[in-house]
Amino acid sequence: DIQMTQSPSSLSASVGDRVTITCQASQDISNYLNWYQQKPGKAPKLLIYDASNLETGVPSRFSGSGSETDFTFTISSLQPEDIATYYCQQYDNLPVFTFGPGTKVDIK
Amino acid sequence: QVQVVESGGGVVQPGRSLRLSCAVSGFTFRSYDMHWVRQAPGKGLEWVAVIWYDGSKKYYADSVKGRFTISRDNSKNTLYLQMNSLRAEDTAVYYCARDRKRAGDYWGQGTLVTVSS
Repeated sequence: DIQMTQSPSSLSASVGDRVTITCQASQDISNYLNWYQQKPGKAPKLLIYDASNLETGVPSRFSGSGSETDFTFTISSLQPEDIATYYCQQYDNLPVFTFGPGTKVDIK
Repeated sequence: QVQVVESGGGVVQPGRSLRLSCAVSGFTFRSYDMHWVRQAPGKGLEWVAVIWYDGSKKYYADSVKGRFTISRDNSKNTLYLQMNSLRAEDTAVYYCARDRKRAGDYWGQGTLVTVSS
């Protein structure tokens, strides 16, 4: 089974800061990697699909990159409403979803 | 607009059964694969099961295989999760999600299942 790791597990940053989260797969998953945002008490929301494609309606300050085993999720300018936990999810082993452990983002 | 609404959660004793439902509207249900994903209190997301758009294929996480059954009724636009032999570790919020190219693009608000004596 493919395992997903994320780092850091949590971070605190100031409004306006650039925030970067990494996700690593245990084997090559091409670009089969999605990113979600989950706010407390809410369902996950798809932000990025296929590693780098911005979901419709998602602000452009969110972006993703990477391929094979190493992926990066970036918030170019952190906003107060971005406080959430972010998860990566791979789907190379169709049709199973495998989620990363999550990264909790707070405002400093 | 797309709506996804889970129901059927509650408190159940270990070893008992529960059936969750997920009613959808606003899209052609029969054209999409559907997933169940759960989240234990304070924990991350765990994929549970997927069913093909026509019900022809079903896959399960090892943690629920043999105990849970995913099904759908395309005439009723409803997804189901039959959960048998429930354990304390099955306590979680259960979400259903639409599959769009192997991403969950629409999710319900979740339904809480608590397994406790």
